[in-house]
Amino acid sequence: DSGVTQTPKHLITATGQRVTLRCSPRSGDLSVYWYQQSLDQGLQFLIQYYNGEERAKGNILERFSAQQFPDLHSELNLSSLELGDSALYFCASSIGTTNNEQFFGPGTRLTVL
Amino acid sequence: QKEVEQDPGPLSVPEGAIVSLNCTYSNSAFQYFMWYRQYSRKGPELLMYTYSSGNKEDGRFTAQVDKSSKYISLFIRDSQPSDSATYLCAMSTGRRALTFGSGTRLQVQP
Repeated sequence: DSGVTQTPKHLITATGQRVTLRCSPRSGDLSVYWYQQSLDQGLQFLIQYYNGEERAKGNILERFSAQQFPDLHSELNLSSLELGDSALYFCASSIGTTNNEQFFGPGTRLTVL
Repeated sequence: QKEVEQDPGPLSVPEGAIVSLNCTYSNSAFQYFMWYRQYSRKGPELLMYTYSSGNKEDGRFTAQVDKSSKYISLFIRDSQPSDSATYLCAMSTGRRALTFGSGTRLQVQP
């Protein structure tokens, strides 16, 4: 158990809908990272937050957004969902701002029908 | 060309064998190197973390980094069926997000 929690474990929804994925980092970690993992793309970095502020952006679509709250939990919002958004979404956390020793949560499996 | 290259496997070995997993990379600015283990549909688990060149050992696992060759390795001694998983290398400059390899699927046969 990495100490990173994610909810829900599974999400099934329809195209065009909007969903919110939630992540709580390890105790003491200030950085939260979001990744997407699909069969043909591997692990793709989406976005990083550090202590409530956006720190780095990766290949995140404009339909996706995230935020980190004062209690350090983070939410990833996915809107206007398409079939291709079906994937595993992982959250990871680390102590500082440098991107090392990231600890991953169990992931949320999103299926868009 | 991808920044990090990793043979996807699958790599099948008998129980007790020494396993060698490798990644090559092109960005000479990478300084931090990690190996993650991922069981099917689970979150990646951090196995080894090394900074710059050199070796690091932890139990049955040894990580090696050769920055001159832009090549990193993970060795697993006395492999067990429970080691069957996908192994992901990851690396970072310290300023950018982690860049992951595509993963090598390992199967340890009892």
